Amino acid sequence: GQSLEQPSEVTAVEGAIVQINCTYQTSGFYGLSWYQQHDGGAPTFLSYNALDGLEETGRFSSFLSRSDSYGYLLLQELQMKDSASYFCAVGANQAGTALIFGKGTTLSVSS
Amino acid sequence: DTEVTQTPKHLVMGMTNKKSLKCEQHMGHRAMYWYKQKAKKPPELMFVYSYEKLSINESVPSRFSPECPNSSLLNLHLHALQPEDSALYLCASSQPRAINTEAFFGQGTRLTVV
Repeated sequence: GQSLEQPSEVTAVEGAIVQINCTYQTSGFYGLSWYQQHDGGAPTFLSYNALDGLEETGRFSSFLSRSDSYGYLLLQELQMKDSASYFCAVGANQAGTALIFGKGTTLSVSS
Repeated sequence: DTEVTQTPKHLVMGMTNKKSLKCEQHMGHRAMYWYKQKAKKPPELMFVYSYEKLSINESVPSRFSPECPNSSLLNLHLHALQPEDSALYLCASSQPRAINTEAFFGQGTRLTVV
């Protein structure tokens, strides 16, 4: 089976940098994804790592270390609109597309 | 068009009712998924269809019955549900072997079982 651990809550101010960590245990590893979900909204894709290292997409970056079963999402230049839940997820199938989600981290950004 | 459309948006049903949730996408994706999400919890994978064939059933009770009539449509048939089945049901789609494995989610159907 799979299990993922991430902090339940993070708070920060506008303009700051926040890192959300995720550790995982899986029987087979098919990549680590990150999704954002605003209250009442659908999860939206942020980033995906299949190999070790850093992936950068605008203000968001994601890192993976397969040897440590660890990844993180880095959010820079925080804006109020970044207040949302952030989920790390591992692939449940070899394509990595069927997702098992972590419990989620609620990010609150204040001015 | 990068949308996954789910209908209805809200559904209230009794425990003896039969109802269906519908999901449609026109992105040419050949993998579609049903997830269940309770309040303040993560989405939980229920079913995976790949090339219109059921490939994963995460031990979901038989009162939930998925159907994939074609590559654009996914249904979830509901029968004899329990109040604890009340949740947001999310449909998603992706390429079966996408390079970045991005899944596109619909806005969900908020189901209340009374």
